[in-house]
Amino acid sequence: GQQLNQSPQSMFIQEGEDVSMNCTSSSIFNTWLWYKQDPGEGPVLLIALYKAGELTSNGRLTAQFGITRKDSFLNISASIPSDVGIYFCAGPWSSGTYKYIFGTGTRLKVLA
Amino acid sequence: GAGVSQSPRYKVAKRGQDVALRCDPISGHVSLFWYQQALGQGPEFLTYFQNEAQLDKSGLPSDRFFAERPEGSVSTLKIQRTQQEDSAVYLCASSSPSGTTGTYEQYFGPGTRLTVT
Repeated sequence: GQQLNQSPQSMFIQEGEDVSMNCTSSSIFNTWLWYKQDPGEGPVLLIALYKAGELTSNGRLTAQFGITRKDSFLNISASIPSDVGIYFCAGPWSSGTYKYIFGTGTRLKVLA
Repeated sequence: GAGVSQSPRYKVAKRGQDVALRCDPISGHVSLFWYQQALGQGPEFLTYFQNEAQLDKSGLPSDRFFAERPEGSVSTLKIQRTQQEDSAVYLCASSSPSGTTGTYEQYFGPGTRLTVT
């Protein structure tokens, strides 16, 4: 099925480093959500974005809704070992719909 | 309960068997979703309920898949005559309308990992 493209696919970083990842779409989105999934668990909602240009923080996480409405970015500052996991972006198929599509995921590994 | 719960967490079925997967959404959440997640992939939409009404089942891969939510709370995803390609994690999510944005933020359960041998 259709998916959003995320990059990088995976990354290894040192504890304490900052992390950046992005999500792109060929079509315009009106909502972007970022989820984190740990092994054997369901995705956990991190941040939701509703307006182009919006910048929202949740602790060490900051996400931005791209002004073109075709991309979104997630930054993690001062990474710690528990940041390990898979990060997914998600958004609705079309405006006002409940039906979300998910990105391909960015796998983050933190080296202590 | 505090979050979405799913049972069983793990299910092994022999090819051809029927399985039933249960989802208990967050209390009061109107909307309920089922997703299928293949290994190494993001979740893919299967079906959506608003209360007891199944409003969209366009993502169900075949007529062997059936979902119900008869009283508008607990939902069951049933797979008949399981095939090896049905092996995946099945995730349930629930949501309630966000008054200020009109957009639904979905909250996921831990999933049921189905292995068909």
